[in-house]
Amino acid sequence: GAVVSQHPSRVICKSGTSVKIECRSLDFQATTMFWYRQFPKQSLMLMATSNEGSKATYEQGVEKDKFLINHASLTLSTLTVTSAHPEDSSFYICSAPSGGVGTEAFFGQGTRLTVV
Amino acid sequence: KNQVEQSPQSLIILEGKNCTLQCNYTVSPFSNLRWYKQDTGRGPVSLTIMTFSENTKSNGRYTATLDADTKQSSLHITASQLSDSASYICVVSAYNAGNMLTFGGGTRLMVKP
Repeated sequence: GAVVSQHPSRVICKSGTSVKIECRSLDFQATTMFWYRQFPKQSLMLMATSNEGSKATYEQGVEKDKFLINHASLTLSTLTVTSAHPEDSSFYICSAPSGGVGTEAFFGQGTRLTVV
Repeated sequence: KNQVEQSPQSLIILEGKNCTLQCNYTVSPFSNLRWYKQDTGRGPVSLTIMTFSENTKSNGRYTATLDADTKQSSLHITASQLSDSASYICVVSAYNAGNMLTFGGGTRLMVKP
């Protein structure tokens, strides 16, 4: 079946640095990808919708200048956490629908970000 | 506002027992409902996906039901195994929201030997 690969699975960075997380659809094209954030024992919270060839759409309260999203190709979206702070430490997950509305949504493995 | 509510929030059962997880939603217009299993520190993995016309769907020991009239769904796990310990998330999508998903809070299931 379709697979979404997310990299890295874990990253530890220092405060003030930037971290890039990649999300790839391995055997299908995804014009849209979604980025989620998940705190411990909570469900996924949508951060932004990544659109291939155009600007991402951010959810209310999500700083677009802090969480930079680039969807340069039909198989790759990246999320860059800029000037990371300890409060940015979280589990970040991407997903991509395999087709149109009602088709399966595949999730990446997630990235555990720890900012020290 | 589209919402998905799950109950219970957490559940502990003994290995080999059955359990049923509940999901109520107010997403409209309804497109489909999905159940995902999420192991700790991993991304969600799809168990079932049901459209308006489907009342039940099985995937091994997992059986999901859907009542589109009452806007309720359940996930029944039969003969639970230790590996079933995970969070189970109910996710609903609406026709006019593209592929955007509304997530329930999840049920954290722990299966004990």
